[in-house]
Amino acid sequence: LAKTTQPISMDSYEGQEVNITCSHNNIATNDYITWYQQFPSQGPRFIIQGYKTKVTNEVASLFIPADRKSSTLSLPRVSLSDTAVYYCLVGDNYGGATNKLIFGTGTLLAVQP
Amino acid sequence: DTAVSQTPKYLVTQMGNDKSIKCEQNLGHDTMYWYKQDSKKFLKIMFSYNNKELIINETVPNRFSPKSPDKAHLNLHINSLELGDSAVYFCASSQEVFTNEQFFGPGTRLTVL
Repeated sequence: LAKTTQPISMDSYEGQEVNITCSHNNIATNDYITWYQQFPSQGPRFIIQGYKTKVTNEVASLFIPADRKSSTLSLPRVSLSDTAVYYCLVGDNYGGATNKLIFGTGTLLAVQP
Repeated sequence: DTAVSQTPKYLVTQMGNDKSIKCEQNLGHDTMYWYKQDSKKFLKIMFSYNNKELIINETVPNRFSPKSPDKAHLNLHINSLELGDSAVYFCASSQEVFTNEQFFGPGTRLTVL
């Protein structure tokens, strides 16, 4: 079972752009890539979802290269309130036999003043 | 109004007991999920139901049994609780399977003594 891996932690300062990557080598053809944000003692919250190339919404951008084996969540101008754990979520390919949902290992983003 | 609610929020019990966690969503979604988050914050899917039909059943001990009385509810029953079952359990829902954003409940922290 291929893992969906992320850096354990990242540090940033207020106002900076932050890019968090996720590696998902065995992504299935029909799988979407979704990113979630989780604060302590809360459930994960949806940020953005994409299939390929680039997706942008009011809070983030998602960059997906042509081979889709990785993805990058980009947070523009982070603030202290963006300090949280960020997870990617993708399907895992067992040769098409089974649908799976695999969360990444999570990246703790710490934003400092 | 809470979109996805879980009860109880905290559950402390002895090894060997049987317990249930309830989940309800008022979003009109077709798909519901149960996830387990361990002490290292890894999120892992346990089950997924679409229109009351089981569509994902991960390698979870058969002591765990989901029950979906209707589209709005997906309860988790656990028999013969073990120490290793201690974790935070999240319920979630989405309009479609896999390709849409999931809405998570606040979580139930289960502690087995």
